[in-house]
Amino acid sequence: QQQVKQSPQSLIVQKGGISIINCAYENTAFDYFPWYQQFPGKGPALLIAIRPDVSEKKEGRFTISFNKSAKQFSLHIMDSQPGDSATYFCAARGRNYGQNFVFGPGTRLSVLP
Amino acid sequence: DGGITQSPKYLFRKEGQNVTLSCEQNLNHDAMYWYRQDPGQGLRLIYYSQIVNDFQKGDIAEGYSVSREKKESFPLTVTSAQKNPTAFYLCASADLVTEAFFGQGTRLTVV
Repeated sequence: QQQVKQSPQSLIVQKGGISIINCAYENTAFDYFPWYQQFPGKGPALLIAIRPDVSEKKEGRFTISFNKSAKQFSLHIMDSQPGDSATYFCAARGRNYGQNFVFGPGTRLSVLP
Repeated sequence: DGGITQSPKYLFRKEGQNVTLSCEQNLNHDAMYWYRQDPGQGLRLIYYSQIVNDFQKGDIAEGYSVSREKKESFPLTVTSAQKNPTAFYLCASADLVTEAFFGQGTRLTVV
């Protein structure tokens, strides 16, 4: 129940295309869902985050869509650029004070020029 | 600048040697974490601490030890009991209700 599933494992997209990464969870106690972007040899950096009281959050070319009833959330990268090539991790955190993070296994995105 | 600082960036360990990885944060976060990342893999939790002088084992604590004597610092020692220590080690900190922030990592190699 603590697991966060993430798909696909890897993704290849042409420049200008839309990249979509999906995550699913079982634990209904999760109430905070951040996405991280990691470049090779670097630490993950927070990209965007959402709580389940909203269905969508957009920051620039990055959008999180959240479906509370299906317990699924996804990251959409519009107008994908070669500089977006990185590994993306979804994560979840429980609503109780001080809960740990549960990370998905990651998606390696390659955007072709 | 607020953030998390890990040092060193690269570390080499001889067989049977203990080594310590440093992690310092000035974000005033209560919680701190250590993760291990193997090539092409996700993040595995080694240890975490939510308050000074207290810490808990994560999923892969064997062969590692930590201390939390100050809120700002959470060093990780990789002991000789860790038989396969070559990996990328990430430290993170968080407040107790929102996102975690990561350091830039330490790459440990056994020589």
